[in-house]
Amino acid sequence: DQQVKQNSPSLSVQEGRISILNCDYTNSMFDYFLWYKKYPAEGPTFLISISSIKDKNEDGRFTVFLNKSAKHLSLHIVPSQPGDSAVYFCAASAYKGSQGNLIFGKGTKLSVKP
Amino acid sequence: DTAVSQTPKYLVTQMGNDKSIKCEQNLGHDTMYWYKQDSKKFLKIMFSYNNKELIINETVPNRFSPKSPDKAHLNLHINSLELGDSAVYFCASSSLAGSVIIYEQYFGPGTRLTVT
Repeated sequence: DQQVKQNSPSLSVQEGRISILNCDYTNSMFDYFLWYKKYPAEGPTFLISISSIKDKNEDGRFTVFLNKSAKHLSLHIVPSQPGDSAVYFCAASAYKGSQGNLIFGKGTKLSVKP
Repeated sequence: DTAVSQTPKYLVTQMGNDKSIKCEQNLGHDTMYWYKQDSKKFLKIMFSYNNKELIINETVPNRFSPKSPDKAHLNLHINSLELGDSAVYFCASSSLAGSVIIYEQYFGPGTRLTVT
């Protein structure tokens, strides 16, 4: 049973435009959400996170939005650059009792075309 | 300086063998993890460990065992390797105690294990 779902396996965007990656979750106990970026043959790299007490967190070109009532979060990348091409993983955690274990989605492969 | 390192990067071995993967972090974190990325690209937690507690994902066979000689290292030992163990294994770390809490986990580059 997938607790974190990324329903789009891939996304293609033109350079300079906005990339929007979506993520849904089912477990209402999740209280912390993260986005990771992964290049081939490398480990996931932390990108941005958001606590469940917030609905938005921004870091440069990256913004994460959280809609708790819909159990949905999204990552916006503006403007998109070719170097952003990678697989993006959404992850969630319920820290109490779980020692911070992350539950990952299957990932969305983003291709940014020049 | 590499924050989280793993060795080896590639490991090819035969069924039935016993192997280990090493992980080291120089971030001063107190909690370390092992994840498995299978052929379907799912990243799944196997273990989390700090100096107080080992949490084991119930789906992990007991052929897999983490060993932590100190806070900076969490090695993964695998006994009697099976074909289905072929995957990429990632080590990660975070800091969940002390005056500075870092919830985000930082990952190593991965070890691609191939069992033939």
